[in-house]
Amino acid sequence: GAVVSQHPSWVICKSGTSVKIECRSLDFQATTMFWYRQFPKQSLMLMATSNEGSKATYEQGVEKDKFLINHASLTLSTLTVTSAHPEDSSFYICSASWSGHEQFFGPGTRLTVL
Amino acid sequence: GENVEQHPSTLSVQEGDSAVIKCTYSDSASNYFPWYKQELGKRPQLIIDIRSNVGEKKDQRIAVTLNKTAKHFSLHITETQPEDSAVYFCAAGKRVNNNDMRFGAGTRLTVKP
Repeated sequence: GAVVSQHPSWVICKSGTSVKIECRSLDFQATTMFWYRQFPKQSLMLMATSNEGSKATYEQGVEKDKFLINHASLTLSTLTVTSAHPEDSSFYICSASWSGHEQFFGPGTRLTVL
Repeated sequence: GENVEQHPSTLSVQEGDSAVIKCTYSDSASNYFPWYKQELGKRPQLIIDIRSNVGEKKDQRIAVTLNKTAKHFSLHITETQPEDSAVYFCAAGKRVNNNDMRFGAGTRLTVKP
């Protein structure tokens, strides 16, 4: 199947700093990428959907100025958590797909904000 | 938008028994229903999916059924094995663009040897 990578796999940062997470589709061109947040023992909560070359569509309740998403190419999307706070600590997972196909998930990034 | 409910939240079975996980959805326009398995610390992996033009699909020990009238679908695992232990997520949406895919809350399946 298609392969999606994420970097970094884990990150620890100080409160108030910004963190960038990369999501890459390694062997296919992803017209759409998704960003999810997953709390321990909970489901995947969709944060935003991004289509290559256009602005991301954010889910209700997700602050677009705090979670900046860029999908500059068909193989790369980035999520930047700006001015991170401890409550932003979570597991962030991206997925990628192209029209008519399933979503392929990345391995996730565990963010810990001190 | 789509809303997916999943039951039970936890399920424990003895090795060799069957396990059934049920989901309901709200948007009658949804036509694609995937199931994902997520092992501890790993990414969700698609294990089976079904489209709205069929009522049942089977792949070895795993089967999924869909009732479009009632808007519910189920995952059936037969002859369970310890390696089936994981969290299972159902999802519902429209296949074409995936933009409105929504996931259920997940079911933690434990298979006791």
